Amino acid sequence: SQELEQSPQSLIVQEGKNLTINCTSSKTLYGLYWYKQKYGEGLIFLMMLQKGGEEKSHEKITAKLDEKKQQSSLHITASQPSHAGIYLCGARPDNAGNMLTFGGGTRLMVKP
Amino acid sequence: NAGVTQTPKFQVLKTGQSMTLQCAQDMNHEYMSWYRQDPGMGLRLIHYSVGAGITDQGEVPNGYNVSRSTTEDFPLRLLSAAPSQTSVYFCASSTRPYIYEQYFGPGTRLTVT
Repeated sequence: SQELEQSPQSLIVQEGKNLTINCTSSKTLYGLYWYKQKYGEGLIFLMMLQKGGEEKSHEKITAKLDEKKQQSSLHITASQPSHAGIYLCGARPDNAGNMLTFGGGTRLMVKP
Repeated sequence: NAGVTQTPKFQVLKTGQSMTLQCAQDMNHEYMSWYRQDPGMGLRLIHYSVGAGITDQGEVPNGYNVSRSTTEDFPLRLLSAAPSQTSVYFCASSTRPYIYEQYFGPGTRLTVT
């Protein structure tokens, strides 16, 4: 079965600093999804990457899927307290399936 | 649109009790799923449905039942609650499986004593 490993597990940064969260898969990724979860709430969709080398940005958040399609990174530029939360990556184990597996999450705190 | 709604928000059960977690969506989504979230383990898929009348098992289906009699509703039943089922449960829906983003409900926090 596919496993998704996220690093780091937790992160504390000073407001204004840049940061990167990684998601590494044990198998080829068929669609990689990034979600954000505010503490005590549901998940909010951030971005979806499907092609090797693909890069997407939304406001100050950029996600990339590497060429070999086994790793994705989420980069936040000039972090703000509103970026705090848990970031989860999700991926399809295979190209035809209906299941989505998730990594363990990265807990981000931004100190003002 | 209300999106994905879940009830109750919190629940405490005793070991052996049964209950149903409710999930409803008003977006006419074909695909619905149930996840549980435990500390450090991310989200794990319990059951999912690709349309009314069709359900299938996910990664951790034991101890849970589902049914999908309508497009809108996808209840999750705990047959005989166990402490290991203490978790936060999320329901999600999407237009098609994993081609588009999933919309998540606010979650149900369940404690089994």
